[in-house]
Amino acid sequence: QSVLTQPPSVSGAPGQRVTISCTGSSSNIGAGYDVHWYQQLPGTAPKLLIYNNNNRPSGVPDRFSASKSGTSASLAISGLQAEDEADYYCQSYDSSLSEVFGGGTKLTVL
Amino acid sequence: QVQLVESGGGVVQPGRSLRLSCAASGFTFRSYAMHWVRQAPGKGLEWVAVISYDGSDKQYADSVKGRFTISRDKSKNTLYVEMNSLRPEDTAVYYCARDRGGSGRSDGMDYWGQGTLVTVSS
Repeated sequence: QSVLTQPPSVSGAPGQRVTISCTGSSSNIGAGYDVHWYQQLPGTAPKLLIYNNNNRPSGVPDRFSASKSGTSASLAISGLQAEDEADYYCQSYDSSLSEVFGGGTKLTVL
Repeated sequence: QVQLVESGGGVVQPGRSLRLSCAASGFTFRSYAMHWVRQAPGKGLEWVAVISYDGSDKQYADSVKGRFTISRDKSKNTLYVEMNSLRPEDTAVYYCARDRGGSGRSDGMDYWGQGTLVTVSS
């Protein structure tokens, strides 16, 4: 059980917008620590999608965006495409545990 | 181009040891913090350990503290993790990953290796 809680699954039709939440506490996200997001396509290594709360690495489409507020963060994917079907993970720092990942969310494109 | 190539995985009996390596190329290895992250079959990502750019600071997940040791060799551009007293629950694909920063809290892991599978079983 991770200290960062993500919904196990979300789904959306092509072209729609979906959001994935990452809920923490006062010892991690709520303490002001940065949140990062990763995409893991089936059978591949994770890929950095968002760093430091809302920054996209070079090459990541602007369909991907993220925000943070209080003890939670969220990843938004707009204009959903079939290739977005993957597992998504949030990551932050916890004052008791060091680096932590969320449990992951499986995105299904209907 | 940045490349991270893990090696050293395999099948090992409970209680035994194993050392994983991660050969880095395409960037100034001595400038970046490095992580080990693992993923048990069908499960999510679990952070394992991090070492600062100069090796002076190391942190571990509670699940491996006292059993795993992370290290780096700047002359060989290689990251290591020595895993002792292995347990069946350590079975996972182990990834090495580069952090965008050099030390302190993670700035995001921007490059990952392909992973190496460790199976702990009798």
